[in-house]
Amino acid sequence: VQLVESGGGLVKRGGSLRLSCAVSGFTFSNAWMTWVRQAPGKGLEWVGHIKGKSDGGTTDYAAPVKGRFTISRHESENTLYLQMSGLKTEDSAVYYCTTADTGYVPPDYWGQGTLVTVSS
Amino acid sequence: QSVLTQPPSVSEAPGQRVTISCSGSSSNIGNQAVSWYQQLPGKSPKLLISYDDLVHSGVSERFSASKSGTSASLAITGLQSEDEAIYYCASWDNSLNGHVVFGGGTKLTVL
Repeated sequence: VQLVESGGGLVKRGGSLRLSCAVSGFTFSNAWMTWVRQAPGKGLEWVGHIKGKSDGGTTDYAAPVKGRFTISRHESENTLYLQMSGLKTEDSAVYYCTTADTGYVPPDYWGQGTLVTVSS
Repeated sequence: QSVLTQPPSVSEAPGQRVTISCSGSSSNIGNQAVSWYQQLPGKSPKLLISYDDLVHSGVSERFSASKSGTSASLAITGLQSEDEAIYYCASWDNSLNGHVVFGGGTKLTVL
């Protein structure tokens, strides 16, 4: 299993950014994919997930990002996306793309993370 | 505040045994699988344990875990300096639509 995030960077408050996660080594369409973030010096925070196709492919989001972030997947490109808009300074964090061997469990596999910094 | 509660820090001498606790509720640990991760500085979390007590492939057998009711614990025996890291517990939480929850992390210092 390989998960490689990209797209992080410096963005102004209120701006938008799209993170990508290139995946390989597993059946992407049926995989539950989860974004987890970690603010500098802080713990891990669930951002949201997208269920596998066989489980409906639906998404769910943490309250702080609901309505501003959107998770999607492009199956033919084996890529997961996190579209972030209306960014706030408190969204500054390393964003990890993660997956598990099944649903309804914490992640088994993590990417290396990509840093998002939101300036005021 | 994290949904799962861990002590902020623990410390122990090399060669000794240390345990890290993780407390939750019936909507998560009490009825769902628990995972444990090790995070070294500047690195992404590494899975140590899944499904409460299943040691992940390639992880040292010095690591073990258990669960009782709404609490879980990670044990590390024969402490080594390389074990110095932050350890996180995690579980699925059935509340609302269901999502992953994490502990706040425990910094292990090998004295």
